[in-house]
Amino acid sequence: AQSVSQHNHHVILSEAASLELGCNYSYGGTVNLFWYVQYPGQHLQLLLKYFSGDPLVKGIKGFEAEFIKSKFSFNLRKPSVQWSDTAEYFCAVIIDNYGQNFVFGPGTRLSVLP
Amino acid sequence: GAGVSQTPSNKVTEKGKYVELRCDPISGHTALYWYRQSLGQGPEFLIYFQGTGAADDSGLPNDRFFAVRPEGSVSTLKIQRTERGDSAVYLCASSQGTFPPYEQYFGPGTRLTVT
Repeated sequence: AQSVSQHNHHVILSEAASLELGCNYSYGGTVNLFWYVQYPGQHLQLLLKYFSGDPLVKGIKGFEAEFIKSKFSFNLRKPSVQWSDTAEYFCAVIIDNYGQNFVFGPGTRLSVLP
Repeated sequence: GAGVSQTPSNKVTEKGKYVELRCDPISGHTALYWYRQSLGQGPEFLIYFQGTGAADDSGLPNDRFFAVRPEGSVSTLKIQRTERGDSAVYLCASSQGTFPPYEQYFGPGTRLTVT
């Protein structure tokens, strides 16, 4: 079965530190990739998405992600985190021609210390 | 409406009881999805609708779970003979369609607790 893995369960950073959250998926065909964020007490919100084209995707709030097909990866990055970035981050995949439901990773909890 | 809404926000029920969870999608969105999120895990797909029909119900765990969307808008997830293992947050999402893949907009979820 197709799956999505996220390397880190919980990441703790100080403000202004750089962030990289790993995401890998287990499917060799065409995929559509997403990062969603869930702030405390709020619902899931889209950070960014990749369908095709430039593998470096820029999203909201200074986040970006790079699709590396050869590594089956879609890592999320931010050069300088803020306390307000404290949240749970989920990588999700739609596998083309397979279904229209997201396959989500288990999530990474990010805690940014002021 | 501005976004996807779900009612109730919290539901506590006794083991063996029947529950209904409701989802109001964004107006005009034809696709509607249900997911279940257990503590410490990512959302897990249950079922999705394109219009009134269930296009993929492969994620429903067993026949105690059923969902409907009779008029192509509001959807209800129904769980019969609830078990403690059904306790989770049930998420609903909607999107403009399914091809090409569109962003899914999520609701706040219904937290179901089975005692």
